[in-house]
Amino acid sequence: QSALTQPASVSGSPGQSITISCTGTSSDVGGYNYVSWYQQHPGKAPKLIISDVSNRPSGVSNRFSGSKSGNTASLTISGLQAEDEADYYCSSYTSSITWVFGGGTKLTVL
Amino acid sequence: EVQLVESGGGLVKPGGSLRLSCAASGFTFSNAWMTWVRQAPGKGLEWVGRIKSKTDGGTTDYAAPVKGRFTISRDDSKNTLYLQMNSLKTEDTAVYYCTTQRSGSFDYWGQGTLVTVSS
Repeated sequence: QSALTQPASVSGSPGQSITISCTGTSSDVGGYNYVSWYQQHPGKAPKLIISDVSNRPSGVSNRFSGSKSGNTASLTISGLQAEDEADYYCSSYTSSITWVFGGGTKLTVL
Repeated sequence: EVQLVESGGGLVKPGGSLRLSCAASGFTFSNAWMTWVRQAPGKGLEWVGRIKSKTDGGTTDYAAPVKGRFTISRDDSKNTLYLQMNSLKTEDTAVYYCTTQRSGSFDYWGQGTLVTVSS
């Protein structure tokens, strides 16, 4: 199972919005609504920020939102803050009864 | 408060074995599906495998790179998840995280334990 495709890096200024894409196939992202997103700060464990394509767990800022169109899922962060600087990973269930992650995207807040 | 605490990591030679543990608290462990995810140094996340709750069959599924070498098990009486790793390879070097799984996402994560496979 190949990793989902994410841009290696994105950047934005405080207050701006950015979008991170996550591209898979009809056997994973396109076939199921089990796409999730994780935020990981250096040296820390990942944290779930979006589940089931667009659901925000309790306690996660409403500046984070998720969506999906076809084989591509997206994470949008609005009103960028310095604390958003981190690595972001998408994940999807697959038709092989496994899960696959994206390669990760490093977000830099300028 | 949900807590997941991994232990058992360390240095092992290629071909060797290691068993990781994950002690869980703050939720009904016996009802939870549990997952192992790993992260090689400086690399991204990789799903390792999952075990369902016993009420859902207790079955396991594994990623292709570890299938046949790794075994996930659970002891609900001890609220503990295990990962038995055999025939270890240098490419298994990673931080190993245990997570709870709800629907299609991994909602709580431990702090991870480092496994280094080197001669």
